[in-house]
Amino acid sequence: QVQLVESGGGVVQPGRSLRLSCAASGLIFSSYGMHWVRQAPDKRLEWVAVISYDGTNKYYGDSVKGRFTISRDNSKETLYLHMNSLRTEDTAIYYCAKDRLIVGGTFQFDYWGRGTLVTVSS
Amino acid sequence: DIQMTQSPSSLSVSVGDRVTITCQASQDISNYLNWYQQKPGKAPNLLLYDASNLEAGVPSRFSGSGSGTDFTFTISSLQPEDIATYYCQQYDNLPTFGQGTKLEIK
Repeated sequence: QVQLVESGGGVVQPGRSLRLSCAASGLIFSSYGMHWVRQAPDKRLEWVAVISYDGTNKYYGDSVKGRFTISRDNSKETLYLHMNSLRTEDTAIYYCAKDRLIVGGTFQFDYWGRGTLVTVSS
Repeated sequence: DIQMTQSPSSLSVSVGDRVTITCQASQDISNYLNWYQQKPGKAPNLLLYDASNLEAGVPSRFSGSGSGTDFTFTISSLQPEDIATYYCQQYDNLPTFGQGTKLEIK
């Protein structure tokens, strides 16, 4: 059974940094592209970033480009999101999500974690 | 960015109702559209991909259609466990979601 468990959220001041983690189990982690998707309070879902199965390709949403970095450690079956220069508008629940198809990225998110809350506030 | 607009934003429904939600893309996205269900305090759940394909394990009362810019999501006979917010999501370009349609019991 696929499980994705996020951690690392919390309260942080504007301008500071935070690193989120997503521990995966129940799947061949190294075979799937992985994503971060966030949801601000009472707002629509917003895709944040994707990393290919082998870590060679990464893409970002416009609102986080240049500030956030997605990475993965396939030996540890863990996905990361390094968030720098945080802004109040980055306050959201951050979900990691698995791509539906093996190897080839589809941007179809078939398994999600329960999310971790990031609050950016002074 | 491709903008996704769902209609309606909320809907009062009764058990057994046929429910229809529409999603319009700001440009042609072929059939690169997914539908998700999200219950309060939970992560989203993939229901349909490529506009009309049912994800494994999803009940057949859920269906989808459309291509290009206009898409439809249907629940043929609403069940109590279907009360949730539904989102469309395009992936012709970097992914974007609709604003959601919240179903409420009448």
